[in-house]
Amino acid sequence: GESVGLHLPTLSVQEGDNSIINCAYSNSASDYFIWYKQESGKGPQFIIDIRSNMDKRQGQRVTVLLNKTVKHLSLQIAATQPGDSAVYFCAENNFGNEKLTFGTGTRLTIIP
Amino acid sequence: GAVVSQHPSWVICKSGTSVKIECRSLDFQATTMFWYRQFPKQSLMLMATSNEGSKATYEQGVEKDKFLINHASLTLSTLTVTSAHPEDSSFYICSARDLSSQGSTDTQYFGPGTRLTVL
Repeated sequence: GESVGLHLPTLSVQEGDNSIINCAYSNSASDYFIWYKQESGKGPQFIIDIRSNMDKRQGQRVTVLLNKTVKHLSLQIAATQPGDSAVYFCAENNFGNEKLTFGTGTRLTIIP
Repeated sequence: GAVVSQHPSWVICKSGTSVKIECRSLDFQATTMFWYRQFPKQSLMLMATSNEGSKATYEQGVEKDKFLINHASLTLSTLTVTSAHPEDSSFYICSARDLSSQGSTDTQYFGPGTRLTVL
């Protein structure tokens, strides 16, 4: 189903520490998941994606974990930097349906 | 990488006027573009799917006569907010799907957004 953001969860992390951002999705038929980063006043920027036949995928300083059993997705950012401060959204869809459904979003603040 | 532009980046208009927002894929062709609306501190909400050469598909609750979408070419989609009112003030974001990625869902590129303020 649709996720409507009424409140924006926040996460504050010390610079250099690792951060974990979580996302619960609702559609058990979803088989493709993406994490986006959105800075203030800008459009979403692709970070990393994962398909449902995987449970982990790594990129540069980022790792996405997928737990289909509990319909949970997480984004791990290693050694956070000030430039990582942004709102992070997860998005889901299923193959054959081009539409993305976005999660509520989490505001990540890096403390210097 | 694929780039999507939007114009204007921000616009202020009087209540009752119409505003047109352009979305362009700069280095790839897009049969499908999407229009989203985002209110402050909220997530992106899909408004409509814009298909080149055919009518747009609107999400439930979105007035098609108020939000006119035209996808005249493989690189341009426009969203016109007709008779805008203050409650239409929002951040409008488009995305485009790369034609060459047919069959894959992982190539949707987002524009930088357009901030609309209706006085």
